Amino acid sequence: GAGVSQSPRYKVAKRGQDVALRCDPISGHVSLFWYQQALGQGPEFLTYFQNEAQLDKSGLPSDRFFAERPEGSVSTLKIQRTQQEDSAVYLCASSSSGTGTSEQFFGPGTRLTVL
Amino acid sequence: AQRVTQPEKLLSVFKGAPVELKCNYSYSGSPELFWYVQYSRQRLQLLLRHISRESIKGFTADLNKGETSFHLKKPFAQEEDSAMYYCALSDFGNEKLTFGTGTRLTIIP
Repeated sequence: GAGVSQSPRYKVAKRGQDVALRCDPISGHVSLFWYQQALGQGPEFLTYFQNEAQLDKSGLPSDRFFAERPEGSVSTLKIQRTQQEDSAVYLCASSSSGTGTSEQFFGPGTRLTVL
Repeated sequence: AQRVTQPEKLLSVFKGAPVELKCNYSYSGSPELFWYVQYSRQRLQLLLRHISRESIKGFTADLNKGETSFHLKKPFAQEEDSAMYYCALSDFGNEKLTFGTGTRLTIIP
């Protein structure tokens, strides 16, 4: 079966533009995560969904960042009024478990460049 | 706050030599530790986790709570081991991962 997919793979935005990044998790996976990976750094947690419920958004860097997963499957990460410091690879991951810890499967990422 | 430290950004090892990638963590709860790997042009994937106590692709890692370390080891490096390696932790019952900054391992033929 298909793994986690993300689109677009690359996005160039002018400073101040809004962007929307999409994640298609593995079918049936309960948990979905967004991470931000700046150049030369490890992934940093942004937010976490269990089905359609956003249980943790403590990693979102500002109120310009918003994520949703309305039907408990596909998720969208939206960034409003993009800034240069938002340039990074945005990773989505999903896992089958809604409790405890199970393997997270990562997507290929979306590389966002803000000019 | 939880923190993962990987002191080496780059590590080069000759083929056939032993490999050790260092990972130290700080966390007050009961952490679960992981190693993730990213091969060239591939996505991030789980290599191993401490609760499984498995050897994957010849790699092992032992959780040392006294030294708060989870070093990744392999006795004989292979060229296909060249990749980016990330150590990560989560709290039991909470799936959120905290990653280190990664170590790029290069195996010299």
